[in-house]
Amino acid sequence: EAQVTQNPRYLITVTGKKLTVTCSQNMNHEYMSWYRQDPGLGLRQIYYSMNVEATDKGDVPEGYKVSRKEKRNFPLILESPSPNQTSLYFCASSPQGRTEAFFGQGTRLTVV
Amino acid sequence: GEDVEQSLFLSVREGDSSVINCTYTDSSSTYLYWYKQEPGAGLQLLTYIFSNMDMKQDQRLTVLLNKKDKHLSLRIADTQTGDSAIYFCAETLYSSASKIIFGSGTRLSIRP
Repeated sequence: EAQVTQNPRYLITVTGKKLTVTCSQNMNHEYMSWYRQDPGLGLRQIYYSMNVEATDKGDVPEGYKVSRKEKRNFPLILESPSPNQTSLYFCASSPQGRTEAFFGQGTRLTVV
Repeated sequence: GEDVEQSLFLSVREGDSSVINCTYTDSSSTYLYWYKQEPGAGLQLLTYIFSNMDMKQDQRLTVLLNKKDKHLSLRIADTQTGDSAIYFCAETLYSSASKIIFGSGTRLSIRP
């Protein structure tokens, strides 16, 4: 089944403790991205990647890192999480940036 | 600038038509999308329209695009309880194929 898989689905952590949210897609898509969803703000792009070893900042990249060492994986790294990073995070992939994006189920992160 | 705006809430009676509206600011939009987010799930593409089209119909869904007013609407005929969700309007721009710009989402609730 074609899908984007994120893990974990839920995470509660403490300020400053490094964490990684994984994202994997099995559709051989070149393009992957991370969004955060906050009430009343829609989805805001954090980082995106056009292909392996090609990543770039989205609208709200501060406090986040990503890597794209393999085509299928695009992990999101929070080196020192802060409470303002409490949010719902989505990973998405698409064969190219202009067509349908396939979304993961989301990761609800709480930083206390 | 890039901005996509939607009203936050819409309530309709079961069996009536729902019309969800969206305005965008960038005239270089190439694709305009409607995504649906059900509770606890990621976003799923409902339909999309090329910027050179005025209308697209797909079963109960009708998308209307008014390029002059930069206005996009989604009409759902015979609204059912399963249509309860958050609906996101989104666009991609000619200048940036890597970026999908989302509105804040409209929460559609169905009353009996």
